[in-house]
Amino acid sequence: AQSVTQLGSHVSVSEGALVLLRCNYSSSVPPYLFWYVQYPNQGLQLLLKYTSAATLVKGINGFEAEFKKSETSFHLTKPSAHMSDAAEYFCAVTPMNTGFQKLVFGTGTRLLVSP
Amino acid sequence: DGGITQSPKYLFRKEGQNVTLSCEQNLNHDAMYWYRQDPGQGLRLIYYSQIVNDFQKGDIAEGYSVSREKKESFPLTVTSAQKNPTAFYLCASSPRGSNQPQHFGDGTRLSIL
Repeated sequence: AQSVTQLGSHVSVSEGALVLLRCNYSSSVPPYLFWYVQYPNQGLQLLLKYTSAATLVKGINGFEAEFKKSETSFHLTKPSAHMSDAAEYFCAVTPMNTGFQKLVFGTGTRLLVSP
Repeated sequence: DGGITQSPKYLFRKEGQNVTLSCEQNLNHDAMYWYRQDPGQGLRLIYYSQIVNDFQKGDIAEGYSVSREKKESFPLTVTSAQKNPTAFYLCASSPRGSNQPQHFGDGTRLSIL
């Protein structure tokens, strides 16, 4: 069984500050991991994915995430927040090499950016 | 442009009615999915389909039904048996392979009158 825990339903930062959104996973087999972003009343957009090629993954809009097996974590970071980063962020996990993807999502973290 | 189209954007249902949400994709993806999103609960899988004429129940399938008669289409029916249907419904699709990301539509918001 798999699960994802996103610590903090809301995270507030000032514009220009570091963004850190936490994701911890539980999986009985090696996982693939994904971060998605959702703007109000829209679908989800892929930010980045970990598929075992490299532990530090760079995504769109300046975001990156590091896969740490020993900590079962896949935290999302961005060095400097922009107002446009205000959105909800979801971490998701699926077992590796199953030939089919069945994602399990975390409950999401809403990022608030103040001027 | 390729993508996923969900319609309508907003839908209202009376008590005891069935309603059908449309999802169409032109990405040539094999797999399609339906999720329900409620505040503070993330996304929960309702049904998914890997190939035409085949689909499986997800975690919260009770009160919902689907069909997959064409590769491009995966409509979801919310039946009167679903006691709490008010939610935001998202459709997604993906190519074969668990390392392939899912692509999402813009959702349908269903409300009860």
